[in-house]
Amino acid sequence: SQKIEQNSEALNIQEGKTATLTCNYTNYSPAYLQWYRQDPGRGPVFLLLIRENEKEKRKERLKVTFDTTLKQSLFHITASQPADSATYLCALDIGGYNKLIFGAGTRLAVHP
Amino acid sequence: DVKVTQSSRYLVKRTGEKVFLECVQDMDHENMFWYRQDPGLGLRLIYFSYDVKMKEKGDIPEGYSVSREKKERFSLILESASTNQTSMYLCASRGTGRNNEQFFGPGTRLTVL
Repeated sequence: SQKIEQNSEALNIQEGKTATLTCNYTNYSPAYLQWYRQDPGRGPVFLLLIRENEKEKRKERLKVTFDTTLKQSLFHITASQPADSATYLCALDIGGYNKLIFGAGTRLAVHP
Repeated sequence: DVKVTQSSRYLVKRTGEKVFLECVQDMDHENMFWYRQDPGLGLRLIYFSYDVKMKEKGDIPEGYSVSREKKERFSLILESASTNQTSMYLCASRGTGRNNEQFFGPGTRLTVL
């Protein structure tokens, strides 16, 4: 069956360290992959988009990689801050109807 | 500032009631979506629409229907609310084209008693 896996356990890190979140997928060949941030009780907010022909994308302290051979995307936050604490969702665009398939998300907690 | 708005942030209804959740976007997007989000299950797509009066079933359409009479408005209807429909409901819109991000509303937390 079609599946997107994100680590269901919360990731706890110390302020200033780099947080790395993983998104693995099976049975898809997405051309585009997106990452979103969601705060408690709110809707997700778009962060970054990466295409299949792009190995890496950066935006300020954020970096996303996309390995279509491994069927994996990594999401990095460098110099993490307590304000980065949230749930991060990956989403695959597999084509058709402009629809995204979302992972369940990984909760990140950055401690002072 | 672009926006997706939902009619209520919190809603409490009784079993068997008909429930309407309204969503409005101001970005002239063709595509609109309704999801529900439950702990551990992530975002599950209920229905989506790619044009006025057009609708497609998502992964969990049972017990729900939708209406899109105008481009900016997409309504989710629970014909006869049940307790297992207690959830956070999120509306989203997206422009056509794979470079486009999806914009979400703030969510409606629905409790069915």
